[in-house]
Amino acid sequence: DSGVTQTPKHLITATGQRVTLRCSPRSGDLSVYWYQQSLDQGLQFLIQYYNGEERAKGNILERFSAQQFPDLHSELNLSSLELGDSALYFCASSASSQGNGETQYFGPGTRLLVL
Amino acid sequence: AQSVTQLDSQVPVFEEAPVELRCNYSSSVSVYLFWYVQYPNQGLQLLLKYLSGSTLVKGINGFEAEFNKSQTSFHLRKPSVHISDTAEYFCAVSEVDNYQLIWGAGTKLIIKP
Repeated sequence: DSGVTQTPKHLITATGQRVTLRCSPRSGDLSVYWYQQSLDQGLQFLIQYYNGEERAKGNILERFSAQQFPDLHSELNLSSLELGDSALYFCASSASSQGNGETQYFGPGTRLLVL
Repeated sequence: AQSVTQLDSQVPVFEEAPVELRCNYSSSVSVYLFWYVQYPNQGLQLLLKYLSGSTLVKGINGFEAEFNKSQTSFHLRKPSVHISDTAEYFCAVSEVDNYQLIWGAGTKLIIKP
């Protein structure tokens, strides 16, 4: 158990809908990272938040947004969903930032299926 | 720009045989290097990482990796694999003082009984 929790574990929705994925980092970790893992694209970094502020952006679509709240939990919002958004979404956390080679601790993921 | 190449998408190997999973990276500056493992239906977890010092790094579950700066490689090895090592293995790199990890495409380790 990494100490990172993600809810829900599974999500089934329809095209055009909006969903919110939730992540609670390990106790004391200030950074949260979001990743998308799909069969065709592999593991893709989406976005990082550090202590409530956006720190780095990867291959995140404009239809997707995230935020980190004062209690350090994070939410990833996916809107106008398309079939191609079906994937496993991981959250990871680390103590501060990746600048000093920190380990990222991954949650179990949320499996999203868009029908 | 940084990139990470995992040369093999799948590596089949017999149980108790040795294995090497290959990882090459490109970067013009100093880097940190990582291997993560993803067991079926689970999230990723750190196997080992190289930050500085000895180029031979030992990790969990009997794995080790060697950093070769001249060849820009960080290959992962295990002298004798077990069926429980069946998983996907990801190599990742970050430049020193950069916040972002760059990930390889992953290598599926398939253990044959």
